[in-house]
Amino acid sequence: GDSVTQMEGPVTLSEEAFLTINCTYTATGYPSLFWYVQYPGEGLQLLLKATKADDKGSNKGFEATYRKETTSFHLEKGSVQVSDSAVYFCALGGIQGAQKLVFGQGTRLTINP
Amino acid sequence: DAGITQSPRHKVTETGTPVTLRCHQTENHRYMYWYRQDPGHGLRLIHYSYGVKDTDKGEVSDGYSVSRSKTEDFLLTLESATSSQTSVYFCAIRETSGSVSGELFFGEGSRLTVL
Repeated sequence: GDSVTQMEGPVTLSEEAFLTINCTYTATGYPSLFWYVQYPGEGLQLLLKATKADDKGSNKGFEATYRKETTSFHLEKGSVQVSDSAVYFCALGGIQGAQKLVFGQGTRLTINP
Repeated sequence: DAGITQSPRHKVTETGTPVTLRCHQTENHRYMYWYRQDPGHGLRLIHYSYGVKDTDKGEVSDGYSVSRSKTEDFLLTLESATSSQTSVYFCAIRETSGSVSGELFFGEGSRLTVL
């Protein structure tokens, strides 16, 4: 079945460091790919998405490119801030039917000043 | 704002008692979901609904039932709570208009502790 594997956490970085959180997937067909972010005590918010191969999603300085050849959707940010501290989830889903998203296990990111 | 309200937000209960969590939406979306979040597992789908009285199981449905008697409410019931059901439960909706990619929008979660 469909699955998502995320980089194990937790990840701790200093402010202004470069961030990469790896995400690879296994799926039939051509899923849409998502990154969600969860700030402490809150629900999940959509951070960015990509619906087809070679699409790049971007938001708030974060980027991820849908790579069909490597089945990957790695999250990157050039210069992180303390406010980026959160848990990040990679997810995949089809674009037909009930759109049942499948999530990775989440990566906790802590940014130190 | 997807207009999702979960209740209760926090609940402590004892093993063997029934528990019902409610998800309420204000915008008549067709698809609604219940996920649970546990450390090391991310979010896992419990049940989902694709319309009034239309529901189906997710990957971790054992021990849970759902009902959707009207569009705006999706109820998750634990008939006899167990300690393994201690978790944070999230309701989500899918906006069916203007969304080709089908992303979900989540409520703020309900933290359930079963003693």
